Amino acid sequence: GNSVTQMEGPVTLSEEAFLTINCTYTATGYPSLFWYVQYPGEGLQLLLKATKADDKGSNKGFEATYRKETTSFHLEKGSVQVSDSAVYFCALSSRSGGGADGLTFGKGTHLIIQP
Amino acid sequence: DADVTQTPRNRITKTGKRIMLECSQTKGHDRMYWYRQDPGLGLRLIYYSFDVKDINKGEISDGYSVSRQAQAKFSLSLESAIPNQTALYFCATSEARKNTEAFFGQGTRLTVV
Repeated sequence: GNSVTQMEGPVTLSEEAFLTINCTYTATGYPSLFWYVQYPGEGLQLLLKATKADDKGSNKGFEATYRKETTSFHLEKGSVQVSDSAVYFCALSSRSGGGADGLTFGKGTHLIIQP
Repeated sequence: DADVTQTPRNRITKTGKRIMLECSQTKGHDRMYWYRQDPGLGLRLIYYSFDVKDINKGEISDGYSVSRQAQAKFSLSLESAIPNQTALYFCATSEARKNTEAFFGQGTRLTVV
């Protein structure tokens, strides 16, 4: 079946630091890949996505590139802000398995940005 | 107004009680989902529905039931709540096409005492 593995948290960084949150996946077929963000007390919001190999998703200064050869979709941001503090989830969607076209999620990474 | 609305937002109930969580959406999506979020476990799929007549069990359906009353409404029931069902519950919707993203409600925080 499908699975997503992302780095455990919490990840604590200083403001303006460079961010990388690693995500690797196992899936049959050709999945689409997503990063969702959950701010305190809120639901999940789509941050960015990529639907095929070598695609780069980007939004709000965050980027992630779909790497089929390494089955990875690492999230990066060049200069984080306190307002980026949240829980980040890597997820995949594949018609071939896993949640019957629902999303398969990683366990989430809690990011804390200190001023 | 939110596209995906969950009620209630917070609920405390006693062990053995029946409780229903409700979800409604204005996105016009055919597909609806119920997920459960627990610390360190991410989100796990409880039930999903592709249309009003199509309901399916997810990864962790034991102890839960659902009803798809209309395209826009999908409710989750705990017939006899137990403490390990204490969690944050999310409803989500998606379009009926391949590899599309899901849209989430704000969540319902359920505590079973």
